[in-house]
Amino acid sequence: NAGVTQTPKFRVLKTGQSMTLLCAQDMNHEYMYWYRQDPGMGLRLIHYSVGEGTTAKGEVPDGYNVSRLKKQNFLLGLESAAPSQTSVYFCASSTVGNQPQHFGDGTRLSIL
Amino acid sequence: GQQVMQIPQYQHVQEGEDFTTYCNSSTTLSNIQWYKQRPGGHPVFLIQLVKSGEVKKQKRLTFQFGEAKKNSSLHITATQTTDVGTYFCAGRGGSNYKLTFGKGTLLTVNP
Repeated sequence: NAGVTQTPKFRVLKTGQSMTLLCAQDMNHEYMYWYRQDPGMGLRLIHYSVGEGTTAKGEVPDGYNVSRLKKQNFLLGLESAAPSQTSVYFCASSTVGNQPQHFGDGTRLSIL
Repeated sequence: GQQVMQIPQYQHVQEGEDFTTYCNSSTTLSNIQWYKQRPGGHPVFLIQLVKSGEVKKQKRLTFQFGEAKKNSSLHITATQTTDVGTYFCAGRGGSNYKLTFGKGTLLTVNP
């Protein structure tokens, strides 16, 4: 049972490049979330989804887009990467909104 | 918006000493969750508190939820080196789907 799988694990981008981070869960969870973690800032919610085909903005959505075309997948896109988006990105999922969240191992993204 | 403040930011203890981290919300919470993140790892769920004044224990860990449901604490008795990591509280207000995380307390333990 893999749980929540994030790809890639590491990536270095140049300013202005685009990329997509993939999150896949095999627990049949309805809710999925994307967070970023920066030193001393804790976890900040970027976007989330309460079900297939739905997405909503979190605390820090600017510069990111998401899609949830399939229940098991939640994609995070950076259209034009900026150095301020250098961070560790975590995906999480839960059965419903008030239940524990299960996190992936994270993607370490550096933007030069 | 909802804010969750956590103190202290860092705590260094000698093995065997106790440790406490505190969490305070600007608004009343429907529930609060605690997570632990080992260095280089990902957050792992520890426990959820829902009721006013609730106290739960997991071996050497004791979790409390305040009577007003605006604060919480995690206490570790007789710390061990395996307790090293960052402890996060995360609160949910009302019917909000979203968790608001505190900035975490980094615990280091000197053997």
